[in-house]
Amino acid sequence: GENVEQHPSTLSVQEGDSAVIKCTYSDSASNYFPWYKQELGKGPQLIIDIRSNVGEKKDQRIAVTLNKTAKHFSLHITETQPEDSAVYFCAASRTSWGKLQFGAGTQVVVTP
Amino acid sequence: DAGVIQSPRHEVTEMGQEVTLRCKPISGHDYLFWYRQTMMRGLELLIYFNNNVPIDDSGMPEDRFSAKMPNASFSTLKIQPSEPRDSAVYFCASSPRASGPQNGFFGPGTRLTVL
Repeated sequence: GENVEQHPSTLSVQEGDSAVIKCTYSDSASNYFPWYKQELGKGPQLIIDIRSNVGEKKDQRIAVTLNKTAKHFSLHITETQPEDSAVYFCAASRTSWGKLQFGAGTQVVVTP
Repeated sequence: DAGVIQSPRHEVTEMGQEVTLRCKPISGHDYLFWYRQTMMRGLELLIYFNNNVPIDDSGMPEDRFSAKMPNASFSTLKIQPSEPRDSAVYFCASSPRASGPQNGFFGPGTRLTVL
């Protein structure tokens, strides 16, 4: 089955700096890669996703890149703000309709 | 819209007792998911429904777990009998058909502690 590894497990950045989280996956048939943000005491919230026919996708300060050959994808947050502090999860699936395999999560702390 | 509603928010029970978790999805959403989150295993999809019909229950850990969706506005996840290793946060999520089943809107979760 699919195995998703996520690094780092914790990430501390200064406000205004960039944050990068990296994930690798094992199933070469995976084609859908969403990212979720989970704030304390809340459920995960989808923030961005990418499909395998696209190499990069941007939404304001958030971008995701995908390298299918190397089987890794990354989340980039630019100009970080304190409200970006949360746990971020990557996930992979064969289709947007299929079962998701989640990474272990990255605790991001943005210090003012 | 109030979003996905889960109850109770916290549940503490003793081993062997029956536990029922409840979920009200967002009105008009076709898909409903149950997830479990633990430190050891992370986020796991347990089961999901499309139009009240269970589609994939391969994530349900064992026969002690069961889920139902009697109508479009209500679902339950039942554990009978409960065991300490079932302690986790259980999330319900729903999605509209247009987004696809993985673009889930998550509820706040139920934190279950089995003593």
